[in-house]
Amino acid sequence: GAVVSQHPSWVICKSGTSVKIECRSLDFQATTMFWYRQFPKQSLMLMATSNEGSKATYEQGVEKDKFLINHASLTLSTLTVTSAHPEDSSFYICSAIRDRAPFYEQYFGPGTRLTVT
Amino acid sequence: AQSVAQPEDQVNVAEGNPLTVKCTYSVSGNPYLFWYVQYPNRGLQFLLKYITGDNLVKGSYGFEAEFNKSQTSFHLKKPSALVSDSALYFCAVRDMRQSNYQLIWGAGTKLIIKP
Repeated sequence: GAVVSQHPSWVICKSGTSVKIECRSLDFQATTMFWYRQFPKQSLMLMATSNEGSKATYEQGVEKDKFLINHASLTLSTLTVTSAHPEDSSFYICSAIRDRAPFYEQYFGPGTRLTVT
Repeated sequence: AQSVAQPEDQVNVAEGNPLTVKCTYSVSGNPYLFWYVQYPNRGLQFLLKYITGDNLVKGSYGFEAEFNKSQTSFHLKKPSALVSDSALYFCAVRDMRQSNYQLIWGAGTKLIIKP
């Protein structure tokens, strides 16, 4: 089956630093990937849609300059949290749509736990 | 506006008993409906989907869900609960007419199966 990986699985960083999270589709190509944020005991909040070779589309209220998304290849999208603050601490999940497959074949990564101290 | 409601924050069921996790939705057109499960500190795993056809959909781990158009519901069910079914369950919907892939998510229901 299709596998999506995220790296790192957890990270602790100091306030003011930047953190990069990678999302990879391991055995399929994905032109479209999504980045979600999940707060404790809450649902997924879509942050942005990442499209290979073009700029990401951000949801309302998500700061594009703070959450930089780069979808440089058909198997890799990265989310960089710039100048992180404690309120950015959260669980970040990516998902990928397999190219030429039905849209509902969306595969999720295992998530990245970010803690900003 | 499109929305998904999971009216119960938590559902408690004794092992071996049947379980139901409720989901209702609101979309302008016909819906695609999904259930996902999330174990602690893990990503989401796909359980089942309704796209078209038979209203009763069978999915992974013995789960099933019934699409009820008149009640705009898509409740998740399992005849006999296992302790290992304890997890967070999310219902999601997409309007068939949408051109993008985005899903609208419910708030999630924590399922606790007691031995």
